[in-house]
Amino acid sequence: EAQVTQNPRYLITVTGKKLTVTCSQNMNHEYMSWYRQDPGLGLRQIYYSMNVEVTDKGDVPEGYKVSRKEKRNFPLILESPSPNQTSLYFCASRQRREYEQYFGPGTRLTVT
Amino acid sequence: DQQVKQNSPSLSVQEGRISILNCDYTNSMFDYFLWYKKYPAEGPTFLISISSIKDKNEDGRFTVFLNKSAKHLSLHIVPSQPGDSAVYFCAASAVDFGNEKLTFGTGTRLTIIP
Repeated sequence: EAQVTQNPRYLITVTGKKLTVTCSQNMNHEYMSWYRQDPGLGLRQIYYSMNVEVTDKGDVPEGYKVSRKEKRNFPLILESPSPNQTSLYFCASRQRREYEQYFGPGTRLTVT
Repeated sequence: DQQVKQNSPSLSVQEGRISILNCDYTNSMFDYFLWYKKYPAEGPTFLISISSIKDKNEDGRFTVFLNKSAKHLSLHIVPSQPGDSAVYFCAASAVDFGNEKLTFGTGTRLTIIP
């Protein structure tokens, strides 16, 4: 089954404690992205990757890091989480921009 | 600066009637538009798309209309069904310095009343 998986689905952590949210896709897609969804703000792109070892900032990259060492994986790293990073996070992948983008199920992160 | 706007946060429609969801954009470089549907506790799923060279695209009960001069697109659902109750996101795509970026609207929550 074609899918994007994210782990964990739910996470509660404290300010400053480094965390990683994993993302994996099994569709051999080149393009992967991370988004955050906040009330009234829709989906905002954090980082994207157009291929292995190629990553770039989206609209709201501050406080986040990513890496793309393998085509299928695109982890999101919060080196020092802060309460304003409390949000719902989605990983997504697609092959070309004309094609539909597949989203993961989401990770709800709470930083206290 | 919100480049893609969905001005109606919510919409309620009677089952069997037409649902019309609207989306406006400001960036004239957008040339591909998509609608996504999102249920609670799930990721968004692709619904329908349209290229800027067209003004209409149909897929079953779903039709998207694009008015480039007005920078406006709309999603029509006919007839509306209870399973259509969800949040709908409009998205627009442009190539920005090599980044094939998707910009999303804020979403419209559609409720179908049985």
